[in-house]
Amino acid sequence: DAGVIQSPRHEVTEMGQEVTLRCKLISGHNSLFWYRQTMMRGLELLIYFNNNVPIDDSGMPEDRFSAKMPNASFSTLKIQPSEPRDSAVYFCASEGSYNSPLHFGNGTRLTVT
Amino acid sequence: AQSVTQLGSHVSVSEGALVLLRCNYSSSVPPYLFWYVQYPNQGLQLLLKYTTGATLVKGINGFEAEFKKSETSFHLTKPSAHMSDAAEYFCAVRTLGGYQKVTFGTGTKLQVIP
Repeated sequence: DAGVIQSPRHEVTEMGQEVTLRCKLISGHNSLFWYRQTMMRGLELLIYFNNNVPIDDSGMPEDRFSAKMPNASFSTLKIQPSEPRDSAVYFCASEGSYNSPLHFGNGTRLTVT
Repeated sequence: AQSVTQLGSHVSVSEGALVLLRCNYSSSVPPYLFWYVQYPNQGLQLLLKYTTGATLVKGINGFEAEFKKSETSFHLTKPSAHMSDAAEYFCAVRTLGGYQKVTFGTGTKLQVIP
């Protein structure tokens, strides 16, 4: 099992540009979480999907952020337009069942200049 | 509502010394509790978890944690620190029923001094 795969690992972009982060879940997992990690705010849950359906998006900062799960194994997080304050490490994590732990990808480090 | 408090954002121990990382939780229902470890430039990895049953839980790399309901605590310990234990550690809580949101603590960075 290759684990949760995120791409790209690093992204540097200019303010105003669109950014798309990608996540491939572990096969058979049916829940997906997107987190953002910064020094100031720690780990923040952005959105949670279960069986491809968004269950809780209360952590999405604002309308500039959107997330999709077009199929059971793949998700994208899009920021449009990006701003310097979006700079952070973005993690996705998948989960196989009710009380199983989360499996994290290695993250995408986003820098917006 | 649920929350997690990790006391001490930075902890330093000498190699071979006891490691104690503190975690207290708040939950209105019986929780599931987790400890995760994060090495530089990596995602979080599960160290151990408590769901039900035995309150002393053993995890990977010699770590263990004890669920104490009366103290609402789930402290992480290791008898003898190793240099490779230097990392950031996160406590997390998940409550049962309905939408099982996972709430993470703010993390504790462990430094191991040779």
